[in-house]
Amino acid sequence: DVVMTQSPLSLPVTTGQPASISCRSSQSLAHSNGNTYLGWLHQRPGQSPRRLIYRISDRDSGVPDRFSGSGSGSDFTLKISRVEAEDVGVYYCMQDTHWPPTVGQGTKVEIK
Amino acid sequence: QVQVVESGGGLVKPGGSLRLSCAASGFTFSDYTMSWIRQAPGKGLEWITYITNSGNDKYYADSVKGRFTISRDNAQNSLYLQMNSLRDEDTAIYYCAKPGADYWGPGTLVIVSS
Repeated sequence: DVVMTQSPLSLPVTTGQPASISCRSSQSLAHSNGNTYLGWLHQRPGQSPRRLIYRISDRDSGVPDRFSGSGSGSDFTLKISRVEAEDVGVYYCMQDTHWPPTVGQGTKVEIK
Repeated sequence: QVQVVESGGGLVKPGGSLRLSCAASGFTFSDYTMSWIRQAPGKGLEWITYITNSGNDKYYADSVKGRFTISRDNAQNSLYLQMNSLRDEDTAIYYCAKPGADYWGPGTLVIVSS
Protein backbone atom coordinates (compact mmCIF):
# COMPACT_ATOMS: atom_id res chain seq x y z
CA ASP A 1 0.00 0.00 0.00
CA VAL A 2 1.09 3.59 -0.63
CA VAL A 3 2.33 5.31 2.51
CA MET A 4 1.39 8.97 2.88
CA THR A 5 3.61 11.06 5.16
CA GLN A 6 2.55 14.52 6.30
CA SER A 7 4.55 17.25 7.96
CA PRO A 8 4.31 18.94 10.30
CA LEU A 9 1.92 16.95 12.46
CA SER A 10 1.10 20.02 14.54
CA LEU A 11 0.90 23.55 13.18
CA PRO A 12 0.17 26.52 15.47
CA VAL A 13 -0.72 29.52 13.34
CA THR A 14 -1.69 33.14 13.83
CA THR A 15 -4.89 34.31 12.16
CA GLY A 16 -4.15 36.28 9.02
CA GLN A 17 -0.85 34.50 8.49
CA PRO A 18 -0.13 31.83 5.86
CA ALA A 19 0.19 28.12 6.60
CA SER A 20 1.60 25.23 4.63
CA ILE A 21 1.32 21.44 4.99
CA SER A 22 3.50 18.95 3.16
CA CYS A 23 2.48 15.49 2.01
CA ARG A 24 4.79 12.90 0.48
CA SER A 25 3.83 9.54 -0.96
CA SER A 26 5.96 6.39 -1.06
CA GLN A 27 5.43 6.15 -4.80
CA SER A 28 4.30 8.42 -7.59
CA LEU A 29 0.60 9.20 -7.59
CA ALA A 30 0.49 9.91 -11.33
CA HIS A 31 -2.11 7.63 -12.88
CA SER A 32 -1.69 6.12 -16.33
CA ASN A 33 -4.72 8.16 -17.45
CA GLY A 34 -2.81 11.38 -16.82
CA ASN A 35 -4.57 12.36 -13.60
CA THR A 36 -3.11 12.43 -10.11
CA TYR A 37 -5.64 11.46 -7.49
CA LEU A 38 -4.32 13.38 -4.52
CA GLY A 39 -6.80 15.20 -2.33
CA TRP A 40 -6.96 17.13 0.92
CA LEU A 41 -9.56 16.67 3.64
CA HIS A 42 -10.37 18.95 6.57
CA GLN A 43 -11.97 17.74 9.76
CA ARG A 44 -13.15 20.20 12.37
CA PRO A 45 -13.48 18.94 15.96
CA GLY A 46 -16.57 16.80 16.35
CA GLN A 47 -17.41 16.85 12.64
CA SER A 48 -17.07 14.49 9.69
CA PRO A 49 -14.24 15.14 7.26
CA ARG A 50 -14.87 17.39 4.30
CA ARG A 51 -12.91 17.32 1.07
CA LEU A 52 -11.29 20.63 0.13
CA ILE A 53 -9.06 19.76 -2.81
CA TYR A 54 -8.99 16.98 -5.38
CA ARG A 55 -6.58 16.08 -8.18
CA ILE A 56 -3.79 18.06 -6.50
CA SER A 57 -5.19 21.54 -6.98
CA ASP A 58 -8.92 21.58 -7.85
CA ARG A 59 -11.02 23.15 -5.11
CA ASP A 60 -14.34 21.59 -4.19
CA SER A 61 -17.48 23.69 -4.44
CA GLY A 62 -17.72 26.28 -1.69
CA VAL A 63 -14.09 26.03 -0.64
CA PRO A 64 -12.58 29.49 -0.13
CA ASP A 65 -9.85 30.48 -2.54
CA ARG A 66 -7.42 31.00 0.32
CA PHE A 67 -6.91 27.22 0.09
CA SER A 68 -4.63 26.01 -2.68
CA GLY A 69 -2.98 22.74 -3.54
CA SER A 70 0.15 22.10 -5.56
CA GLY A 71 2.72 19.45 -6.34
CA SER A 72 3.33 16.50 -8.58
CA GLY A 73 4.58 12.94 -8.53
CA SER A 74 5.04 12.16 -4.87
CA ASP A 75 5.42 15.61 -3.32
CA PHE A 76 2.40 17.79 -2.54
CA THR A 77 1.52 20.88 -0.55
CA LEU A 78 -1.62 22.46 0.85
CA LYS A 79 -1.39 26.19 1.47
CA ILE A 80 -3.71 28.51 3.32
CA SER A 81 -2.93 32.07 2.27
CA ARG A 82 -4.41 33.72 5.35
CA VAL A 83 -5.58 31.49 8.16
CA GLU A 84 -8.98 32.18 9.68
CA ALA A 85 -10.35 30.89 12.98
CA GLU A 86 -12.67 28.45 11.18
CA ASP A 87 -9.66 26.73 9.60
CA VAL A 88 -8.71 24.94 12.82
CA GLY A 89 -8.87 21.18 12.85
CA VAL A 90 -7.02 18.30 11.26
CA TYR A 91 -5.97 18.20 7.62
CA TYR A 92 -5.38 14.91 5.84
CA CYS A 93 -3.91 14.20 2.45
CA MET A 94 -5.30 11.13 0.75
CA GLN A 95 -4.60 9.28 -2.47
CA ASP A 96 -6.69 6.93 -4.55
CA THR A 97 -4.52 6.61 -7.59
CA HIS A 98 -3.43 3.25 -6.18
CA TRP A 99 -6.01 1.10 -4.43
CA PRO A 100 -6.58 0.75 -1.55
CA PRO A 101 -6.81 4.47 -0.89
CA THR A 102 -4.50 5.67 1.85
CA VAL A 103 -4.43 8.70 4.08
CA GLY A 104 -1.70 10.69 5.83
CA GLN A 105 -1.45 10.83 9.61
CA GLY A 106 -3.10 14.22 9.76
CA THR A 107 -1.84 17.72 10.60
CA LYS A 108 -3.51 19.49 13.49
CA VAL A 109 -3.88 23.21 12.86
CA GLU A 110 -4.59 25.40 15.86
CA ILE A 111 -4.65 29.12 16.45
CA LYS A 112 -1.82 30.53 18.57
CA GLN B 1 -27.63 16.26 -4.17
CA VAL B 2 -25.20 13.51 -3.23
CA GLN B 3 -25.81 12.01 0.19
CA VAL B 4 -24.52 9.05 2.13
CA VAL B 5 -26.01 8.21 5.51
CA GLU B 6 -24.55 5.55 7.72
CA SER B 7 -26.54 3.67 10.36
CA GLY B 8 -26.51 0.57 12.53
CA GLY B 9 -23.85 1.48 15.06
CA GLY B 10 -24.17 0.92 18.78
CA LEU B 11 -22.70 -0.64 21.90
CA VAL B 12 -21.67 -4.28 21.59
CA LYS B 13 -19.67 -6.63 23.77
CA PRO B 14 -16.31 -8.04 22.63
CA GLY B 15 -16.90 -11.04 20.41
CA GLY B 16 -20.28 -9.71 19.32
CA SER B 17 -21.59 -8.76 15.90
CA LEU B 18 -23.09 -5.71 14.26
CA ARG B 19 -24.29 -4.86 10.76
CA LEU B 20 -23.80 -1.37 9.42
CA SER B 21 -25.71 0.16 6.52
CA CYS B 22 -25.01 3.07 4.23
CA ALA B 23 -27.87 4.60 2.25
CA ALA B 24 -26.70 6.46 -0.83
CA SER B 25 -28.57 8.95 -2.98
CA GLY B 26 -27.95 11.64 -5.58
CA PHE B 27 -25.58 9.60 -7.75
CA THR B 28 -25.65 6.39 -9.77
CA PHE B 29 -24.66 4.04 -6.96
CA SER B 30 -24.14 1.05 -9.23
CA ASP B 31 -21.39 2.87 -11.13
CA TYR B 32 -19.04 3.22 -8.18
CA THR B 33 -16.69 1.24 -6.02
CA MET B 34 -17.69 1.95 -2.43
CA SER B 35 -15.60 1.95 0.72
CA TRP B 36 -15.90 1.80 4.47
CA ILE B 37 -13.52 4.02 6.43
CA ARG B 38 -13.23 4.20 10.19
CA GLN B 39 -11.82 6.61 12.74
CA ALA B 40 -10.97 5.45 16.23
CA PRO B 41 -11.35 8.03 19.03
CA GLY B 42 -8.65 10.67 18.68
CA LYS B 43 -7.05 8.88 15.74
CA GLY B 44 -6.79 9.29 11.98
CA LEU B 45 -8.74 7.78 9.12
CA GLU B 46 -8.34 4.10 8.20
CA TRP B 47 -9.64 2.62 4.93
CA ILE B 48 -10.79 -0.81 6.00
CA THR B 49 -12.63 -2.29 3.03
CA TYR B 50 -14.02 -1.59 -0.42
CA ILE B 51 -16.21 -3.36 -2.95
CA THR B 52 -16.27 -2.81 -6.71
CA ASN B 53 -19.44 -1.61 -8.41
CA SER B 54 -20.48 -5.11 -9.47
CA GLY B 55 -19.69 -6.58 -6.08
CA ASN B 56 -17.29 -9.06 -7.64
CA ASP B 57 -14.11 -7.75 -6.04
CA LYS B 58 -13.50 -6.85 -2.42
CA TYR B 59 -10.54 -5.67 -0.40
CA TYR B 60 -10.00 -5.91 3.35
CA ALA B 61 -7.34 -4.34 5.52
CA ASP B 62 -5.43 -6.82 7.64
CA SER B 63 -7.02 -5.33 10.76
CA VAL B 64 -10.48 -6.60 9.74
CA LYS B 65 -9.76 -9.47 7.35
CA GLY B 66 -11.67 -12.63 8.24
CA ARG B 67 -14.00 -10.79 10.62
CA PHE B 68 -15.73 -8.15 8.50
CA THR B 69 -17.69 -8.63 5.27
CA ILE B 70 -18.63 -5.87 2.86
CA SER B 71 -21.62 -6.22 0.56
CA ARG B 72 -23.92 -4.05 -1.50
CA ASP B 73 -27.40 -3.98 -2.99
CA ASN B 74 -27.37 -1.85 -6.12
CA ALA B 75 -31.14 -2.05 -6.45
CA GLN B 76 -31.49 -0.47 -3.01
CA ASN B 77 -28.53 1.94 -3.37
CA SER B 78 -27.14 0.49 -0.18
CA LEU B 79 -23.79 -0.61 1.18
CA TYR B 80 -23.36 -2.92 4.15
CA LEU B 81 -20.68 -3.97 6.60
CA GLN B 82 -21.17 -7.16 8.60
CA MET B 83 -18.84 -7.04 11.58
CA ASN B 84 -18.22 -10.24 13.55
CA SER B 85 -15.85 -11.15 16.38
CA LEU B 86 -15.68 -7.51 17.39
CA ARG B 87 -12.75 -6.32 19.49
CA ASP B 88 -12.17 -3.28 21.70
CA GLU B 89 -9.95 -1.81 18.99
CA ASP B 90 -12.86 -1.79 16.52
CA THR B 91 -14.39 1.07 18.52
CA ALA B 92 -14.66 3.90 16.01
CA ILE B 93 -16.89 6.05 13.88
CA TYR B 94 -17.56 4.23 10.60
CA TYR B 95 -18.05 6.17 7.37
CA CYS B 96 -18.93 5.05 3.86
CA ALA B 97 -17.50 6.84 0.85
CA LYS B 98 -17.37 6.80 -2.94
CA PRO B 99 -14.07 7.22 -4.81
CA GLY B 100 -12.40 10.53 -4.12
CA ALA B 101 -14.13 10.77 -0.74
CA ASP B 102 -15.95 13.82 -2.02
CA TYR B 103 -18.99 13.39 0.22
CA TRP B 104 -19.06 12.30 3.84
CA GLY B 105 -22.01 11.33 5.94
CA PRO B 106 -22.37 11.73 9.70
CA GLY B 107 -20.86 8.31 10.29
CA THR B 108 -22.12 5.74 12.76
CA LEU B 109 -20.46 5.10 16.10
CA VAL B 110 -19.53 1.58 17.11
CA ILE B 111 -18.45 1.00 20.69
CA VAL B 112 -17.06 -2.39 21.65
CA SER B 113 -16.94 -2.72 25.39
CA SER B 114 -17.87 -5.16 28.11
